[in-house]
Amino acid sequence: GQQLNQSPQSMFIQEGEDVSMNCTSSSIFNTWLWYKQDPGEGPVLLIALYKAGELTSNGRLTAQFGITRKDSFLNISASIPSDVGIYFCAGRGGGSNYKLTFGKGTLLTVNP
Amino acid sequence: EPEVTQTPSHQVTQMGQEVILRCVPISNHLYFYWYRQILGQKVEFLVSFYNNEISEKSEIFDDQFSVERPDGSNFTLKIRSTKLEDSAMYFCASRDKFYFGPGTRLLVL
Repeated sequence: GQQLNQSPQSMFIQEGEDVSMNCTSSSIFNTWLWYKQDPGEGPVLLIALYKAGELTSNGRLTAQFGITRKDSFLNISASIPSDVGIYFCAGRGGGSNYKLTFGKGTLLTVNP
Repeated sequence: EPEVTQTPSHQVTQMGQEVILRCVPISNHLYFYWYRQILGQKVEFLVSFYNNEISEKSEIFDDQFSVERPDGSNFTLKIRSTKLEDSAMYFCASRDKFYFGPGTRLLVL
């Protein structure tokens, strides 16, 4: 099946720093999504990207849909302690059922 | 903002017992999904459901699993005879903006 490679696996940064994480795939995806998950809770959608080359922001978060449709990145600027959590990328391939394939996640720790 | 809701939030069961996990998707959505997340791992697709039928299922979704929409609002996932390795968070999701429910934490002892 389709696989997503997400990196880095974990990051430990100081408050105020910028963060970047990315996902790559050997397959083409039609939609890229970025989620944040806090412990014991469901994934919360941060940004959805629908077109190759699309660059979308949500507050301090910016994500881009790669031109080849095989990659995406998420940037977080001026990190704050509440940014702590696991960030997942997810991709939707072709077809009509909208099944999502998830990356393994990036654990972000922000040191105040 | 409409939400997907799930019950129960936690379920502890003995190996071999049947469990039913419930979801109330966002009304007027047509596609419904179940995903699973084993502790510390990524979220994995189990099954998608459209027009009262399974439209796609993963290899995880074997004969022990079934889904139905018994009353037009609730969407259920049944595990007939639970195994230890079924212990995970189970998430229901609804199409259009890919909303996930808060999950049911299932622990099989």
